Amino acid sequence: GENVEQHPSTLSVQEGDSAVIKCTYSDSASNYFPWYKQELGKGPQLIIDIRSNVGEKKDQRIAVTLNKTAKHFSLHITETQPEDSAVYFCAASIWGTGNQFYFGTGTSLTVIP
Amino acid sequence: GAVVSQHPSRVICKSGTSVKIECRSLDFQATTMFWYRQFPKQSLMLMATSNEGSKATYEQGVEKDKFLINHASLTLSTLTVTSAHPEDSSFYICSARDLTGHYNSPLHFGNGTRLTVT
Repeated sequence: GENVEQHPSTLSVQEGDSAVIKCTYSDSASNYFPWYKQELGKGPQLIIDIRSNVGEKKDQRIAVTLNKTAKHFSLHITETQPEDSAVYFCAASIWGTGNQFYFGTGTSLTVIP
Repeated sequence: GAVVSQHPSRVICKSGTSVKIECRSLDFQATTMFWYRQFPKQSLMLMATSNEGSKATYEQGVEKDKFLINHASLTLSTLTVTSAHPEDSSFYICSARDLTGHYNSPLHFGNGTRLTVT
């Protein structure tokens, strides 16, 4: 089955700096890669996703890049703000099926004011 | 965007009692729902997958007689923790997808239920 690894497990950055979280996956059949933000005591919220037919997607301060050959994808947050502090999870799945999502182990991001 | 409502957000119960958690999709048809369990500072552990009108599919190691899942309609799935014990204390999160039509739908999560068994 699919195995998703995520690094780093914790990340601290100064407000205004950029944060990068990386994930790798093992199953070449995976073609859909969402990122979720989970605040304390809440469920994960989808913040951005990418399908394997594109290499990069951007939404304001958040961007995701995908390297299919190397089987890794990354979340980039620019101009970080204290409200970006949360746990971020990457996931991999096969778009268009009822297959489950395979989650990374999470990255706890702290943005220091 | 799609909204998944989960209730209750917190519940405390005594050992031996049963607890029901509801998960509703508010603006889409949740043909497939997933139930996760999350321990502190850990990732999401899939417990079971339920399709509307069908029996749930449980992951290995999850007791189906203890964690009863009912997905009777396209907008509601319930998880009942039967004869709860302190080791069942955890954060339970449901999620839903709309797989009608083109099978293209991201996964949306509820806000979770913090279960504490005393």
